[in-house]
Amino acid sequence: EDKVVQSPLSLVVHEGDTVTLNCSYEVTNFRSLLWYKQEKKAPTFLFMLTSSGIEKKSGRLSSILDKKELSSILNITATQTGDSAIYLCAVLTGANSKLTFGKGITLSVRP
Amino acid sequence: NAGVTQTPKFRILKIGQSMTLQCTQDMNHNYMYWYRQDPGMGLKLIYYSVGAGITDKGEVPNGYNVSRSTTEDFPLRLELAAPSQTSVYFCASSRRGIIGGDEAFFGQGTRLTVV
Repeated sequence: EDKVVQSPLSLVVHEGDTVTLNCSYEVTNFRSLLWYKQEKKAPTFLFMLTSSGIEKKSGRLSSILDKKELSSILNITATQTGDSAIYLCAVLTGANSKLTFGKGITLSVRP
Repeated sequence: NAGVTQTPKFRILKIGQSMTLQCTQDMNHNYMYWYRQDPGMGLKLIYYSVGAGITDKGEVPNGYNVSRSTTEDFPLRLELAAPSQTSVYFCASSRRGIIGGDEAFFGQGTRLTVV
């Protein structure tokens, strides 16, 4: 059974802090790892990582995949209250593109 | 830009009733997915489809059925609603199944309560 584990499950920080969110996986036939941000409604796509060691960056957010360690991190620098959300990690596997999601990390950014 | 559209947004069902959650996408995507999201449990795959006429079970298919008669539509059917099916349901689609750099696009969700 494919497994995706995220940590910590919840996190409270103050504006301006830097946070690191972790995702580890145990799957067969790994294709890619994806990060999503979920606020009140549907998840929105952040990053897709396929190759190990290549950082993807979008503004204050960045992410990197380590295939040797079967893990990924999502970094958010200079956090803002608008970063408060659930961050979901998902791993794509198999020829039929099944996505297995972790439980999510609830990030709260206090003013 | 419609993207992935789910209806209804909210529904309350009585135990034993049946209903169909509708999902349609206008992006000509081959791959479509149904997920449920329970509090603190992340997203779990119910069923998915790799193209019209082809469906397969995901992680939690019991109590649900799907069909994919067209590329655009992927309805999810609950035959005998149970309280354990109280959840938020998300439909998603992707063009090439995310192989090669595609991502999944999600609908806005359907909040279902079974009482």
